[in-house]
Formats: sequence, structure tokens, C-alpha cells
Amino acid sequence: NAGVMQNPRHLVRRRGQEARLRCSPMKGHSHVYWYRQLPEEGLKFMVYLQKENIIDESGMPKERFSAEFPKEGPSILRIQQVVRGDSAAYFCASSPQNNEQFFGPGTRLTVL
Amino acid sequence: GNSVTQMEGPVTLSEEAFLTINCTYTATGYPSLFWYVQYPGEGLQLLLKATKADDKGSNKGFEATYRKETTSFHLEKGSVQVSDSAVYFCALPLSGNTPLVFGKGTRLSVIA
Repeated sequence: NAGVMQNPRHLVRRRGQEARLRCSPMKGHSHVYWYRQLPEEGLKFMVYLQKENIIDESGMPKERFSAEFPKEGPSILRIQQVVRGDSAAYFCASSPQNNEQFFGPGTRLTVL
Repeated sequence: GNSVTQMEGPVTLSEEAFLTINCTYTATGYPSLFWYVQYPGEGLQLLLKATKADDKGSNKGFEATYRKETTSFHLEKGSVQVSDSAVYFCALPLSGNTPLVFGKGTRLSVIA
């Protein structure tokens, strides 16, 4: 059983461009969480999704950020018009039924 | 919501030294408590957990006891190895079961 997959592992964008981060949960997992880790800090919760539904987006900025978890395919975290402050590691986690979370390797976003 | 305060590092120890990383929490009720480990360039891995008061979680020689009297969940290891060098995060659910709130992390470096 493959673990949580994230791609790309590294993403470089210029200010104003869009960033799309993908997360494929573990097989059988229907709950996905996105976290952001700024340098030398802990992870901060952004958004919690189930298939086709956003359950909790209280940690996600209201502007420029959006997330989806369609019926088919990976979960996508989308950042529009990126700024330097968006540079961080973005981690996805999945769980089978709202319990123990398994983390992916992360996507490291660098905004030039 | 719940919160966690974690001893800040960095911590540098010689091989075979005793390790303690302090973690205290503020929570409604008695949520599950977790320690995660992040090796360089990787995502988070669950190290151990405890689901109720007085439980002791253990894995790979690490231990932590859920103490409700002191609202603590300190991580300990009797004899660290160079391979234990990583960042350690204490975590608990924000509310209910998930998502998680993390401490800022403690970087451990073990030297031979």
C-alpha cells in the first residue's frame, strides 16, 4: 500500500504566477488535510476535505488560496498570484475515518 | 481550541545520552496526544501516541506518558543515537478528533 503521494516535491514560481500542489491519499483514505510549514516553525493547519466537500477551511487564507478533493483524482491546493510570503513546505495528510493521519513528503514551494 | 507548548531547541547531545523534550498542552477534555518526527528533507512520521490519561506511548526506544495532572506529554529516550537526529513535534487535535495543532518543533542533533 503506497503512502501519501505529493507532487511536485519542489516547485519554483515567480511572483504573480499560480502554484498547483497535488496530493494523492493512501488507498482507502477519504479524508485529506493540508498543512503549511514555514521555515523553523511547526505545521499550521490550512484545510480539511472529504471527497467533494470542504469540511473545515478555517486555517486557509480567504484570498488567493483554494482547495478541492474531487470524486476522482488527487486533492489540489491552488495558490493564485503567489507572493514571496507563500514560500513554505506544504504537507498533505490523509486518514481513513477522521483519526490517525499519515503525512506525505511535502511540496517545497519557492517564490522568486 | 486546544493548544500545545513545546520546548524549543536546538538540542545537541552526545551519543548514548538521555533525552527529554518537554511538551505541555491546553485542552478541553482528554484528547489523544502525539509525537511526530521529521527527518531532514522528509515529511512527518508518527513516532508514538497516547489516547487516554496515564497511557504510555512507546516506539523505537522513545516513550511519552499522558499526564493529565500536569497536562504534559514529555518525550524521553534513555540512549540516543546519531540516527535520532531530526525535528520532533508534539501535537494534539485542534478540537474533536482532527485536524492537528503542532508545537513549533525541537531540533535534535546527536553527535558521535
